[in-house]
Amino acid sequence: QKEVEQNSGPLSVPEGAIASLNCTYSDRGSQSFFWYRQYSGKSPELIMFIYSNGDKEDGRFTAQLNKASQYVSLLIRDSQPSDSATYLCAVAPTGNQFYFGTGTSLTVIP
Amino acid sequence: EAQVTQNPRYLITVTGKKLTVTCSQNMNHEYMSWYRQDPGLGLRQIYYSMNVEVTDKGDVPEGYKVSRKEKRNFPLILESPSPNQTSLYFCASGLLAGPETQYFGPGTRLLVL
Repeated sequence: QKEVEQNSGPLSVPEGAIASLNCTYSDRGSQSFFWYRQYSGKSPELIMFIYSNGDKEDGRFTAQLNKASQYVSLLIRDSQPSDSATYLCAVAPTGNQFYFGTGTSLTVIP
Repeated sequence: EAQVTQNPRYLITVTGKKLTVTCSQNMNHEYMSWYRQDPGLGLRQIYYSMNVEVTDKGDVPEGYKVSRKEKRNFPLILESPSPNQTSLYFCASGLLAGPETQYFGPGTRLLVL
């Protein structure tokens, strides 16, 4: 059973703080991991993807992967009200088939 | 403008009446995929295609059909819709070498009565 688990939240952080979003997955053979952002009423958009253990940084976003613990996280530094959205974790065990978590709702309070 | 388009955007239909949701992309992407999104269940993959005439089942293919006769189009067919197929549907496309960068269409909200 390929499953992706996320805390549905809601997660609230003050503006300027670090938001930490977490995701666990069950397929130990998974190779590709993604974070998508979805604003209310809109389609998902890719924020980051990560393949290797460790950290990957892109601007204010850092993805962290720990394959031994089957854990992937997303850190958003200097959170802005415009970051308020639902964040979807996704795993692609075979590269072409994707499994998404149910999403974590983030609210950044001005 | 690079985009994925879906039609219709909203659809209300009745049980058993065949329908097709179209998806088209103008980015020459090999990879295309259909998802449904339901509260509490998240985004689930229905079917995907890696190129013309190549389609594969995703996680929830039951009750759906797809075809890929042209690279740019990937229609989703519900031959006998049922109320449990009421959902928000997204089409997506991406390069085969990097399907992780898939671009999502605007979504189609379907209500089956």
